[in-house]
Amino acid sequence: GNSVTQMEGPVTLSEEAFLTINCTYTATGYPSLFWYVQYPGEGLQLLLKATKADDKGSNKGFEATYRKETTSFHLEKGSVQVSDSAVYFCALISPGGSEKLVFGKGMKLTVNP
Amino acid sequence: GAGVSQTPSNKVTEKGKYVELRCDPISGHTALYWYRQSLGQGPEFLIYFQGTGAADDSGLPNDRFFAVRPEGSVSTLKIQRTERGDSAVYLCASSLLGASPLMGELFFGEGSRLTVL
Repeated sequence: GNSVTQMEGPVTLSEEAFLTINCTYTATGYPSLFWYVQYPGEGLQLLLKATKADDKGSNKGFEATYRKETTSFHLEKGSVQVSDSAVYFCALISPGGSEKLVFGKGMKLTVNP
Repeated sequence: GAGVSQTPSNKVTEKGKYVELRCDPISGHTALYWYRQSLGQGPEFLIYFQGTGAADDSGLPNDRFFAVRPEGSVSTLKIQRTERGDSAVYLCASSLLGASPLMGELFFGEGSRLTVL
């Protein structure tokens, strides 16, 4: 079946540090890939997405590239801010089905000033 | 409203009781989803509605769980004979289903935290 594996947290970084959150997936066909973020006290929201191999999604300084050869979609940001403190979820949707997102377990990031 | 609204935000009940959780999606969104998030886990799919009908209910764990969306807008998730293992945050999301570039762009509510004692 379809699944998403994320690196385990929690992770604490200092402001302006470089961030990488690893995500790999198992899926039939060519899924669409997503990063969702949950800020404290808020609902999950879409951060970025990529729908085909080699696509790069980007938003708010975050980037992730769809790598079919390594079945990965790692999230990166060059310089994190305190406001990036949140829980980050990698997710996928398999083609041809309903919009049934399959999520990873999430990784909590805390950024200290 | 501007976003997906879920009520109650917190519900504490006793084992064996009946619970209803309500979701009010974004106006105009045709698709509505229920997910369940246990502590330390990512959201797990329960059921999804396209309009009034349940298009995919493969994630409902057993027949104690049921959801309705009678008018294609507000949805209610119903849990009968609650068990301690049902304790979780129940998330509702809505989307503009069928618009391919928007596939997977779900808008989530803040969730209803259910605690079964």
